[in-house]
Amino acid sequence: DIQLTQSPSTLPASVGDRVTITCRASQSVSSWVAWYQQKPGKAPKLLIYKASILDSGVPSRFSGSGSRPEFTLTISSLQPDDFATYYCQQSSAFGPGTRLEMK
Amino acid sequence: QVQLQESGPGLVKPSETLSLTCSFSADTLDTYYCSWVRQAPGKGPEWIGHVYYSGNTDYNPSLKNRVTISVDTSKNQFYLNLTSVTAADTAVYYCARGIVGSTRHYYYMDVWGRGTTVTVSS
Repeated sequence: DIQLTQSPSTLPASVGDRVTITCRASQSVSSWVAWYQQKPGKAPKLLIYKASILDSGVPSRFSGSGSRPEFTLTISSLQPDDFATYYCQQSSAFGPGTRLEMK
Repeated sequence: QVQLQESGPGLVKPSETLSLTCSFSADTLDTYYCSWVRQAPGKGPEWIGHVYYSGNTDYNPSLKNRVTISVDTSKNQFYLNLTSVTAADTAVYYCARGIVGSTRHYYYMDVWGRGTTVTVSS
């Protein structure tokens, strides 16, 4: 089974910061990675798919890059609405999540 | 725009079967996969499995022996059955629209329902 790790697990940051979250797969089975944002009590929301394609309506400050087995999600200038938990997903596996919190 | 809505009992007794329905608004989910994902309290999402409109299914190996996912396109609904539940199956259950590429490893979910909380307890 594919295992995904994310780093960091928690990321303290401030509005305006540039932040990067990394997702690493235990096996190089796919070049497709998706990134989701989740807020408390809400369903995950797709941000990026196929590693680098922004879903419709997602602000351009979000970007994805990388190639198997390591992928990154970058937020270029943090906004107050961005404080949430972020998950990567590849194949049938989800990463453990990165909690983006206010510094 | 496609909308998904989960429904079903919020409380299931241990050893019984959890049954959920996902109703979707679009006229068709042709070319998409109907997926189920769950999230235990304080944990990350866990993919349960999906069904294609043709009836082909794929399941998480860790749940494969207990799970059945099916679809009824005439009713715009798909279903989750999970047998022999325990407290470990307590979670928020989401249905989602899945997109699959050339193999099952090329996969993501672009539209999600709001989720329904299921508690397993006597």
